[in-house]
This record gives sequence, C-alpha cells and structure tokens, in this order.
Amino acid sequence: EVQLLESGGGLVQTGGSLRLSCTTSGFIFNKFAMSWVRQAPGKGLEWVSGISGSGDGTYYADSVKGRFSISRDNSKNTLYLQMNNVRADDTAAYYCVKDWMEICLYYFDSWGQGTQVTVSS
Amino acid sequence: DVQMTQSPSSLSASVGDRVTITCRASQGLNSWLAWYQQKPDKAPKPLIYNTATLESGVPSRFSGSGSGTDFTLTISSLQPDDFAVYYCQQYNIFPPTFGGGTRVEI
Repeated sequence: EVQLLESGGGLVQTGGSLRLSCTTSGFIFNKFAMSWVRQAPGKGLEWVSGISGSGDGTYYADSVKGRFSISRDNSKNTLYLQMNNVRADDTAAYYCVKDWMEICLYYFDSWGQGTQVTVSS
Repeated sequence: DVQMTQSPSSLSASVGDRVTITCRASQGLNSWLAWYQQKPDKAPKPLIYNTATLESGVPSRFSGSGSGTDFTLTISSLQPDDFAVYYCQQYNIFPPTFGGGTRVEI
C-alpha cells in the first residue's frame, strides 16, 4: 500500500522559511516523479512543484518560482519542499503527491494527508 | 495556463439520482484529464484518469467521458458516500491545472 506522510508544516512569519518533508513507502520511490499540490483555506487545488524520479528534472509554478525548491533523497524515500521568502498567499494545506510515471506527467495517483502552512505577518 | 471551468459549482441531489458534472478546458487536452473526489478535511482521492479509466477500487457507478475541450463526470446512481467536492485536472499542457470544483450536496 502506498503511503505518503507529510511533516514540517506550521506557523511562519512573512519572509521566513520552512522545509516540508514527505516520507514514503509501499512503492519504488525512485521510479516515480513526485509533486507538491496546495490548497488554500476554502479554495481549490493548485499544483506547486514537481520533480522527476531521478531528481534531474525540477519544475515550478510561476507563483513559487525563485522562492521554493523541490528535492528528493532517493536513499531515504523522502521528498522535500524548501519554502523561502514566504508570503501570506502561501498559506495552505500542502499535499505530497505521487505521479503515475517516472517523468513528470502530472497525473497524481496517490496523495498524502497534507500538512498545514500558515504565514502570518 | 490552461483554464479549467467546471459546472455547476454546486448541485443538490438525492440518493439514487444521476449526476453529471462538466469540465471545459481553454485548450484541447487529448485525453489527459483526471477527476478527484474530496471530502471535508481529507485529501483528494483519485477517481478517473485519461478521461475514462477508473482507478482501482472506484465503484462502477462513476464514469468519465469527453474529448478535446469538453469532459464529463457521471455518477449513475448517487450514494450517501458520494457527497463531496469533485475536481477535474488537466495534465496535457504544463503547468497542470485544476477546475474550481463542484460541490455535490443533499
């Protein structure tokens, strides 16, 4: 059974930094691309960033480009999202999601339970 | 970015009803469209991918159809467990984008 467990969310001040982690099990981690998807309170879903299975390819939404960095440690089956210079509109639940392919094709066939990030001024 | 427009934004229905949700894309998607179900305070659950392929374990009362820019999610006979918000998502053109959601309520 695929399991994705996010951690690292919390309260952070505007302009601050936070690192999210996603520990995984139940599948061959380096064979699948991964992404982060977020959902602001009461709002819809927004793709944030993706990374290929090897880690060679990284991709970002315009809204976070230059501020967020996605990475993975295939030896630890763990995905990360480094969030720098956060803004109020980054407040959201952040979901770790598994792609259905090794390259980023962006169909998400498994989701974590989410971790809440709240940015305050 | 590809804009995904879902309609209606919400609907009221009863157990046993046939429910249809529409998703329209601002550009052609081939068949690269998925549907997710989200219940309150839960993560989205994948239902359908590639327009019409059901994820493992998804009841057969769910079906998807469409092509080009117009897609449909149909629930043939609504069950109590189906009351939720449904999202479409395109993965044909980068970046992937989601529809605004359709709330299905009693």
